[in-house]
Amino acid sequence: QVTLKESGPGMLQPSKTLSLTCSFSGFSLSTSGMVVSWIRQPSGKSLEWLAAIDWDGDKYYNPSLKSRLTVSKDTSNTQVFLKITSVDIADTATYYCARIKGYFDYWGQGVMVTVSS
Amino acid sequence: IQLTQSPSLLSASVGDRVTLSCKGSQNINNYLAWYQQKLGEAPKLLIYNTNSLQTGIPSRFSGSGSGTDYTLTISSLQPEDVATYFCYQYNNGLTFGSGTKLEIK
Repeated sequence: QVTLKESGPGMLQPSKTLSLTCSFSGFSLSTSGMVVSWIRQPSGKSLEWLAAIDWDGDKYYNPSLKSRLTVSKDTSNTQVFLKITSVDIADTATYYCARIKGYFDYWGQGVMVTVSS
Repeated sequence: IQLTQSPSLLSASVGDRVTLSCKGSQNINNYLAWYQQKLGEAPKLLIYNTNSLQTGIPSRFSGSGSGTDYTLTISSLQPEDVATYFCYQYNNGLTFGSGTKLEIK
């Protein structure tokens, strides 16, 4: 059974760095073809793909946010991380991680992040 | 590729046949998926590769289309289908449409 779960700080101040963790089970990121991705959704709005990392450690970023994003994974291939630097109010959203096969087939429940002073 | 969904809000009766539209700014080459998102929940995959039904999804959901124009059809609307539906393309970059909110009349 594939499951993913996001965790994060809940709230942080503008200009800080947001750190998110995606913990997953039911598959291994060391398996050829596996990719885990981050997506976010401001309240009441649509979804925005942020970043992805594959089984080989290759990283992919949304060009519009690339300068602020860093995606990584742990050596056990059961967690993926996302860092977003210099956050502002516009980064307030629910952040999801999902397994990707071109399309996102399994999603976590999401973690709400509020940027506020 | 930008995706335009229409309508943004759709109100229909239980049992109605419902059609949601998604139009790309460029050819999507059938690399299109549909997601259902209920209030407070994560999106759920319904359809991938234009017309492949994800495991466990009721057969009243179907997808079609080609080129830049794609459609999600619900053959007989059920109360549990109230949700926002997003299309998503993975042909060139990864982008989502703005969503269609589906309500029961």
